[in-house]
Amino acid sequence: GAVVSQHPSWVICKSGTSVKIECRSLDFQATTMFWYRQFPKQSLMLMATSNEGSKATYEQGVEKDKFLINHASLTLSTLTVTSAHPEDSSFYICSARTPGNTIYFGEGSWLTVV
Amino acid sequence: GESVGLHLPTLSVQEGDNSIINCAYSNSASDYFIWYKQESGKGPQFIIDIRSNMDKRQGQRVTVLLNKTVKHLSLQIAATQPGDSAVYFCAENTSGTYKYIFGTGTRLKVLA
Repeated sequence: GAVVSQHPSWVICKSGTSVKIECRSLDFQATTMFWYRQFPKQSLMLMATSNEGSKATYEQGVEKDKFLINHASLTLSTLTVTSAHPEDSSFYICSARTPGNTIYFGEGSWLTVV
Repeated sequence: GESVGLHLPTLSVQEGDNSIINCAYSNSASDYFIWYKQESGKGPQFIIDIRSNMDKRQGQRVTVLLNKTVKHLSLQIAATQPGDSAVYFCAENTSGTYKYIFGTGTRLKVLA
């Protein structure tokens, strides 16, 4: 079964609203989680590294104020897309690192902004 | 900047044949590589990994080859099956960062 769970699996929101995506590690504590976005027929692009109890580290070109990341506990990281626009529509995937340094990916969350 | 790229965007193979998916990487500091399989609408699944101190690693029906001289990585799938149809990504990592840079992906189509 899945060891990293994302919720929701898919979401539709109106332009200008905010939407939150959760990433949970089910069987382990993850001090580090990663958020990726993937456009159709393209590769995964790392957006940010989420560290429990500290600020996320964003990749170059990713807007911190638009993609808010919170890693409040060792099993949960959230990505909030603020003031969403149609161009934010994408497949968002998280991954989590186990204490033994294995990386597990979530099943992804489809976001459609209308 | 540094990047990982793939030579073939789509690969079609007959069921039962062997598949070879290639990947070129450019960051000479990368010392850990992973092949992932991604089915439509799902997250990546780990297939096999290899460290830079190795040039070959075998798993069940899969083999990864690493050529550091030319910075080339390949994934070989033996006796390809319909269930192998997916997009395959190589990803590279540099020790201590746990950040993975993904290649552009190759779609594998298995023909019956």
